[in-house]
Amino acid sequence: QSVLTQPPSVSEAPRQRVTISCSGSSSNIGNNAVNWYQQLPGKAPKLLIYYDDLLPSGVSDRFSGSKSGTSASLAISGLQSEDEADYYCAAWDDSLNGYVFGTGTKVTVL
Amino acid sequence: QLQLQESGPGLVKPSETLSLTCTVSGGSISSSSYYWGWIRQPPGKGLEWIGSIYYSGSTYYNPSLKSRVTISVDTSKNQFSLKLSSVTAADTAVYYCARFGGAEGIFGVKWFDPWGQGTLVTVSS
Repeated sequence: QSVLTQPPSVSEAPRQRVTISCSGSSSNIGNNAVNWYQQLPGKAPKLLIYYDDLLPSGVSDRFSGSKSGTSASLAISGLQSEDEADYYCAAWDDSLNGYVFGTGTKVTVL
Repeated sequence: QLQLQESGPGLVKPSETLSLTCTVSGGSISSSSYYWGWIRQPPGKGLEWIGSIYYSGSTYYNPSLKSRVTISVDTSKNQFSLKLSSVTAADTAVYYCARFGGAEGIFGVKWFDPWGQGTLVTVSS
């Protein structure tokens, strides 16, 4: 059972904005960097956001990350059909002394 | 461009040991800046971190799997490996290897990038 909680699914129309929440605790999100991964259908996960709000080279600036206290969020603006994927938050957990992933959120473009 | 490739048997019998290898190309596994890790994903489910290793052999394991997991590194072959013992059907998953980088020496500021394509391992008799 994951220590990072995400909504199972979110959906929105094309060109709209969606946000995905990630709820944790002081031992993970509250004290460490939050990273987000995008997993397209049938593909390996790909780093989408690192260190709370930084975009790797090549990632569209339609994606943005934020963090406040023990929660983090991923926002996708100008939603496109190619954004349909599963999204996972993740962080190091000091109590578990290990890396934890969120429960995952499936994004559907209506 | 750094690439990782998993390899190993796709079918393992219950109670036996699952063994996978990750071959790193386009960069050295001996870089002081990075750890290397294994992550798995059961069919239709989420991601689970298995463990990570430094080129020196220093390891960190998921507490829930620690008693059954061994991760090792072979710097001469630029590879690192996973062994998971006493497997059951619950260990059926796609297994990914990935580089674990970020702030040197600070686990709280690390992330997995890039990832291998993954390999499906089925546990069945």
